[in-house]
Amino acid sequence: GAGVSQTPSNKVTEKGKYVELRCDPISGHTALYWYRQSLGQGPEFLIYFQGTGAADDSGLPNDRFFAVRPEGSVSTLKIQRTERGDSAVYLCASSLGGTAYNEQFFGPGTRLTVL
Amino acid sequence: GENVEQHPSTLSVQEGDSAVIKCTYSDSASNYFPWYKQELGKGPQLIIDIRSNVGEKKDQRIAVTLNKTAKHFSLHITETQPEDSAVYFCAAPTQGGSEKLVFGKGTKLTVNP
Repeated sequence: GAGVSQTPSNKVTEKGKYVELRCDPISGHTALYWYRQSLGQGPEFLIYFQGTGAADDSGLPNDRFFAVRPEGSVSTLKIQRTERGDSAVYLCASSLGGTAYNEQFFGPGTRLTVL
Repeated sequence: GENVEQHPSTLSVQEGDSAVIKCTYSDSASNYFPWYKQELGKGPQLIIDIRSNVGEKKDQRIAVTLNKTAKHFSLHITETQPEDSAVYFCAAPTQGGSEKLVFGKGTKLTVNP
């Protein structure tokens, strides 16, 4: 079956612009996660949704970052007033939900470059 | 919160040899330890995991061991093959069995033919 998909695969933007990154989870997965991965580092947790609500957004670095999942399926990560330091690969993962024991299935990521 | 340290950062082995990657964690309440493999241009993929109620788990050429007293766990790959070349990450939940994972910095494994 289809895995987690993310669009776009690459996004180049200018400093100060607004960007939206989209994640389509595996059908039936109630949990959805956003991570950020900088070069040579492991994924860094940003936010976790259980259904439509953000169960834990403690990883969002500041108020320029926001994510939604209005219908409990597709999620959008929104970054306002982008900065060069926001350049990274943004990974989305989904799972059956509940606890970390459920395998998280990752998408291929969106590579964001802020010039 | 949880802190996960991973070593080595790079590892090069000859095809057929074994590879061992080690991780330590700080939160004694952590009870779930997954290992992910990430190939170039792809997202991480779970290859094996272990819960704190067992000390070792095997799946064909891959095994994970856990020492709760010392708070470390290791990934063992035997009879390595060139397709094992990738970056491997260990992880642990931030709070016991919570859904939020903290990842190590990764180990780049190269298997030379």
